[in-house]
Amino acid sequence: AQSVTQLDSQVPVFEEAPVELRCNYSSSVSVYLFWYVQYPNQGLQLLLKYLSGSTLVKGINGFEAEFNKSQTSFHLRKPSVHISDTAEYFCAVSDLNSGYSTLTFGKGTMLLVSP
Amino acid sequence: NAGVTQTPKFQVLKTGQSMTLQCAQDMNHEYMSWYRQDPGMGLRLIHYSVGAGITDQGEVPNGYNVSRSTTEDFPLRLLSAAPSQTSVYFCASSYSIPGQGQNSYNSPLHFGNGTRLTVT
Repeated sequence: AQSVTQLDSQVPVFEEAPVELRCNYSSSVSVYLFWYVQYPNQGLQLLLKYLSGSTLVKGINGFEAEFNKSQTSFHLRKPSVHISDTAEYFCAVSDLNSGYSTLTFGKGTMLLVSP
Repeated sequence: NAGVTQTPKFQVLKTGQSMTLQCAQDMNHEYMSWYRQDPGMGLRLIHYSVGAGITDQGEVPNGYNVSRSTTEDFPLRLLSAAPSQTSVYFCASSYSIPGQGQNSYNSPLHFGNGTRLTVT
């Protein structure tokens, strides 16, 4: 069954510093991968997705992620964070065995950006 | 465009009570789903629907019922509330049905703002 592990529950970082949020997935078949962001008291918004093609995916708000099949990872990066990036970030996977019909989410990583 | 609208925003129930969480979307989306979000657990799929009259179970369906009589509405019913159902519930919809080809994920999930439910 598909599953997602987000290795850090919380990542504190200073404004303008780079950040990497880690995501590993478990699936032996073809996958689609996603990162979502949740701001306080709101629903989730899609940041970026990998379906196929280039392994480096660019999303909104300056975020990007790299799909690494051999390491089964899909880490999210931003070269310089802002206070407004403070939010919870969720990695999600959908695989061929499920017919790509369901998304499985990780437990989330809280990004805390301080001045 | 209102997007995905969930009501109520907050609800407190006593154990054994029943209630319905409402979800409506005005984007003519075929696919609708319900997730629950618990601290440290991420989001878990409860039920989903690929169109009017069609529903299916997700990862954690027990204690919940759904129906889809119209394209716009996808209510979630708690039959007999239990403290374990204390959670934040999110409804999400998308134009395409996930799984129907690679292009299906070119239409992302749109989430409502959630319903915070407490069962005492």
